[in-house]
Order: sequence, then structure tokens, then C-alpha cells
Amino acid sequence: DAGVIQSPRHEVTEMGQEVTLRCKPISGHDYLFWYRQTMMRGLELLIYFNNNVPIDDSGMPEDRFSAKMPNASFSTLKIQPSEPRDSAVYFCASSFGVGGWGTQYFGPGTRLLVL
Amino acid sequence: GENVEQHPSTLSVQEGDSAVIKCTYSDSASNYFPWYKQELGKRPQLIIDIRSNVGEKKDQRIAVTLNKTAKHFSLHITETQPEDSAVYFCAATFTGGGNKLTFGTGTQLKVEL
Repeated sequence: DAGVIQSPRHEVTEMGQEVTLRCKPISGHDYLFWYRQTMMRGLELLIYFNNNVPIDDSGMPEDRFSAKMPNASFSTLKIQPSEPRDSAVYFCASSFGVGGWGTQYFGPGTRLLVL
Repeated sequence: GENVEQHPSTLSVQEGDSAVIKCTYSDSASNYFPWYKQELGKRPQLIIDIRSNVGEKKDQRIAVTLNKTAKHFSLHITETQPEDSAVYFCAATFTGGGNKLTFGTGTQLKVEL
């Protein structure tokens, strides 16, 4: 099992550019989560999906952020336009299970730097 | 609302000593409590978890205890080693949130030689 796969691993871009982060969850998992981690704000949940449907996007900071999950094997997090304050590590995680007992497995993260 | 409080924020121990990190949660119906370890520059990784129908769980040098009445749970690391140095996060699921986890703010553990 390859685990959760994220790409790119590192991204450096200039303010105003569009950034797209990609995630492939573990096969068979029905939940997918996007997190952002910074020193100042810690680990923040941005949005999560269940069976490809967005369930809670209350953590998405602003309209510049959008996320999609077109199928069970792929999700994207897009930032348009990007700003320096978006610089962070973005993690994708997936889980499987009912009753709120599903362990979340994290991908390696995408380290984003917006200049 | 959904809330997990974690203490302390930093913890320094001597190699071989024990370390204890404590978390409290707000929802009495919460039923799943994992602990994650995050080394510098790496992803959070699950080290141990406990479900609400169990009071204690142990895996070698680490253990977790759960007190449902008081709504708190703790991570215990015995015989600490330098490789235990990392940030530890507790988390909990909440009613209606499915597999969504609410994380604590993390504890930076430093094991000194």
C-alpha cells in the first residue's frame, strides 16, 4: 500500500499565481481531509469529503480557496490567486470507517511558499 | 462546540524518565481518541488510539488512558529516548462529525541526554 500520495511535494510561486495541490487517498478509504499547518496557527482542517461529497468546508479561509473530489481516487485543493500568507504545509489525509472510529492517515504534505 | 485542550505545550524530560501529556474534550459522546507524533519536517503519524469502550491501552513504552466521566485522556511514555523528541497531538471525534478529528494544539516533547 503506497499510502496517501500528494503532489507536488514543494511549490514555490509568486503572489497572484494559481496553485493546485493534488491528493490520492488510500484505496478504499471513503473520507478525505485537507489540512493546513503553520507555526502560528497549528494544524487547521480546511475541508473534508465523504464519498466524494464535501461535508464541511467551514475551515476554508476565503473564496480564493476551493477543493474538489471528482472521484474516489483524486482530490485537488486550489488557491487562486495565491498570497504570501498562504505559505504553509498542506496535508491531505484519508480514512475509512463508520461511527467516527476511522483512523486518519496523512500524506507527506506539500510545502507551499508564496513570494 | 467541538474543543480539545492539550497540556502542556512544551515538555522537557531527561532520557529514561516518563512523560505525560493530557487532553480534555468537550463532547461527552466523543468515542475515538487518537494520538499522533510529528517529527520535524514530517507528517503526523498515528502512534496509539483508544475507543470509548476501553479505559486503557498499552503498546510497548506508550499507553493511553481515558476517563469518560471527566472527559479527559492522557498519553504516557515511559523510559523516554531521544527519538521520542517530537510534537505530539491528541485528537477526538465529535457527534455528527463522522471521521472528522478535532486536534489539540500539540505538545513539543524534548528528551534530553
